[in-house]
Amino acid sequence: DTEVTQTPKHLVMGMTNKKSLKCEQHMGHRAMYWYKQKAKKPPELMFVYSYEKLSINESVPSRFSPECPNSSLLNLHLHALQPEDSALYLCASSQDRGAWGYTFGSGTRLTVV
Amino acid sequence: DQQVKQNSPSLSVQEGRISILNCDYTNSMFDYFLWYKKYPAEGPTFLISISSIKDKNEDGRFTVFLNKSAKHLSLHIVPSQPGDSAVYFCAASGQTSYDKVIFGPGTSLSVIP
Repeated sequence: DTEVTQTPKHLVMGMTNKKSLKCEQHMGHRAMYWYKQKAKKPPELMFVYSYEKLSINESVPSRFSPECPNSSLLNLHLHALQPEDSALYLCASSQDRGAWGYTFGSGTRLTVV
Repeated sequence: DQQVKQNSPSLSVQEGRISILNCDYTNSMFDYFLWYKKYPAEGPTFLISISSIKDKNEDGRFTVFLNKSAKHLSLHIVPSQPGDSAVYFCAASGQTSYDKVIFGPGTSLSVIP
């Protein structure tokens, strides 16, 4: 298995909703990442997990809450989002911290209404 | 403040000819550079990388050239094929934090049959 699987592929949520994005990989990778990509912009790093511990938080608002329950799973919990948070949310993994050539998932297209 | 720049938002090339995608960076601490390819509705796919100790890396039809003094790298695709039509992201990482891969804004390549 050489894939990063993200669910759901599309999500529409209201500003008062709570939802979660899920990411799964079975490649034995020990680093996992959340990126956010707005239209016609590059992916922007949000969080890095290494060995299931949060190692980087790029000053992301607290309405985004990451969680790494085990080495294969990465969640992003969403609460009280704003319309400007609408974007493509990409999960990626790599063998270890500092190992480039990430494997990206297909992303979750999030729309906040 | 864009640390990784791709000044051509789009490029069109005839099938069989060479595609040259350019990238400039401003941070002299970057020492590892990557190219990713992205099709619509998919996550980015790692293509090729180069370390700052090299000036060229080749993988099949893809070659990346690095000019450290000019803070410039380029991706050459020879020969170009219609399946190469995608958005290409240049990315960089550095000694201070290998986890933080910074992406450029992307160049949309169209290979015309």
